[in-house]
Amino acid sequence: DSGVTQTPKHLITATGQRVTLRCSPRSGDLSVYWYQQSLDQGLQFLIQYYNGEERAKGNILERFSAQQFPDLHSELNLSSLELGDSALYFCASSVGQETGNTIYFGEGSWLTVV
Amino acid sequence: AQSVAQPEDQVNVAEGNPLTVKCTYSVSGNPYLFWYVQYPNRGLQFLLKYITGDNLVKGSYGFEAEFNKSQTSFHLKKPSALVSDSALYFCAVRDPAFSGSARQLTFGSGTQLTVLP
Repeated sequence: DSGVTQTPKHLITATGQRVTLRCSPRSGDLSVYWYQQSLDQGLQFLIQYYNGEERAKGNILERFSAQQFPDLHSELNLSSLELGDSALYFCASSVGQETGNTIYFGEGSWLTVV
Repeated sequence: AQSVAQPEDQVNVAEGNPLTVKCTYSVSGNPYLFWYVQYPNRGLQFLLKYITGDNLVKGSYGFEAEFNKSQTSFHLKKPSALVSDSALYFCAVRDPAFSGSARQLTFGSGTQLTVLP
């Protein structure tokens, strides 16, 4: 158990809908990351927050948004969902922003868009 | 930009034999290198990392990896494979020379390791 908690573990939704994925980082970790894992794209970095502020943005679609709250949990919002958004979404956390910090991953949220 | 290559999609090894999962990287500066493992329907679990120092890094579950700067490689090894080691293994790199999205973890495509009883 990495200490990173993600909910829900699985969800199925229809095209055009909106979902919210939730993440609680490891105790004491200030950085939160979101990654998407799909068969065709592999593991892709989406976005990073540090202590409530956005720090880096990767291949995140404009239909997607995220935030980190004062209690350090984070949410990833996916809207106007398309079939191609079906993937495993990982949240991860690290104690700080240093490049050498170990990043610990949650078990992921499986999203299926039908 | 940084990149990682895992040249083998699949590695099969007999239980008790040594295993190697290959990884090569490309960065502009000194790399920070990581190995993660993903079991079916589970998240990514951290195995080990190389930041600096000794080129041989020891990690969880008896795994180790050797950093080779001249060959730009970071192969994962274990002296004696277990059936329970069967999983998907990912190599990843971060380049501290960059900032923002360019310094995030970049993953290889993964290698499926199957240990045969």
